[in-house]
Amino acid sequence: AQSVTQLDSQVPVFEEAPVELRCNYSSSVSVYLFWYVQYPNQGLQLLLKYLSGSTLVKGINGFEAEFNKSQTSFHLRKPSVHISDTAEYFCAVSSNFGNEKLTFGTGTRLTIIP
Amino acid sequence: DVKVTQSSRYLVKRTGEKVFLECVQDMDHENMFWYRQDPGLGLRLIYFSYDVKMKEKGDIPEGYSVSREKKERFSLILESASTNQTSMYLCASSLTGNSNQPQHFGDGTRLSIL
Repeated sequence: AQSVTQLDSQVPVFEEAPVELRCNYSSSVSVYLFWYVQYPNQGLQLLLKYLSGSTLVKGINGFEAEFNKSQTSFHLRKPSVHISDTAEYFCAVSSNFGNEKLTFGTGTRLTIIP
Repeated sequence: DVKVTQSSRYLVKRTGEKVFLECVQDMDHENMFWYRQDPGLGLRLIYFSYDVKMKEKGDIPEGYSVSREKKERFSLILESASTNQTSMYLCASSLTGNSNQPQHFGDGTRLSIL
């Protein structure tokens, strides 16, 4: 079984400042990793995913994440945030084994301060 | 683009009622999922289905059942609604059962049980 930890439940950031949202996972097998974003009153949208290959993954809206196997982390970063990035962000993991389901973290609420 | 449509955005029901939440996807996806989302708990999987008339329990199936009579439609049923089932319910679908497939979400149904 796998698990995901998002230590920061809320992250306030000034507009145009950089941001990092942390995600750590636990799994006994190889994993696939995902970041989803949920804007107010909407469902979740896929931001980016790591399946294999390059450990630096680029997603939509200028976000990127880096897979670090030794630290079992998949932190999400953006060099300069905008008001429109205000949302909740979920990290998710599935194991690289057949039909395993996704396990989600508890989410990080990103608030952009004008 | 994949569209996952949940029949209601907001629903208010009374304790003891039988409640139906409907979800339809338009991209011939094999897998469909029902989650509930609660503050501080992230998304928790209730049930999923990988084929018509097939269903699998997720992490929190108690008090719920599901129905998948057609490939595009997946229904969540609260047999006898209770106040602790007040929550946001999210439906999702994925192309196949392979764990590297991203999930596509509906906008959610906010259910209140009085």
